[in-house]
Amino acid sequence: DIQMTQSPSSLSASVGDRVTFTCRASQTIGIYLNWYQQKPGRAPKLLIYAASNLQSGVPSRFSGSGSGTDFTLTISSLQPEDFATYYCQQGNSIIRTFGQGTKLEIK
Amino acid sequence: EVQLVESGGDLVQPGESLKLSCAASGFTFSDSSIHWVRQASGKGLEWVGRIRSKANNYATAYTASVNGRFTISRDDSQNTAYLQMNYLKAEDTAVYYCARGGNNYGHFASWGQGTLVTVSS
Repeated sequence: DIQMTQSPSSLSASVGDRVTFTCRASQTIGIYLNWYQQKPGRAPKLLIYAASNLQSGVPSRFSGSGSGTDFTLTISSLQPEDFATYYCQQGNSIIRTFGQGTKLEIK
Repeated sequence: EVQLVESGGDLVQPGESLKLSCAASGFTFSDSSIHWVRQASGKGLEWVGRIRSKANNYATAYTASVNGRFTISRDDSQNTAYLQMNYLKAEDTAVYYCARGGNNYGHFASWGQGTLVTVSS
């Protein structure tokens, strides 16, 4: 199975900050990389698909980039509602896998 | 509006069986793949398996830890997918989500609210 590794595992930041999360695949996955946001007690929400495509309704402060094995998710200016856990997920293989998540906390 | 509603979660003993349902609306269910994803308390997301559409022969796939114990099925006439779980173990305890598969990039476009399965004696 393809292993997905996210870094950091947690991150403290302030409203207005620019933050970047990284995700690395154990083998090349092209652009078959998706990002989700999850808040406590809620289902995950799709933010970015195909590495850089913003899901409908997601604010433009979210952006994604990368291809092959290395990917990033950037939030350009943190808003209070952005504090959550973020997961990457590869869609390249039949057996889908997620990263372990990055928890974004308020500094 | 796309909606997915899971049901059937319960407290069961190790070795027992349980069947979850995922009722869908707001999209063409019969054309869509349906995935199950689980999350143990305080842990990350784990993909469980999926069933494809009739056009793709209702093909199923499962993660190794549930292969042979769990079975995904669907009833397109009822817009409902199912997750049959047999020989349940304590480590199967989790919130189980169903999700609609995206068309091209293996993403999960829409999710249900989840249903809790607890396996404990």
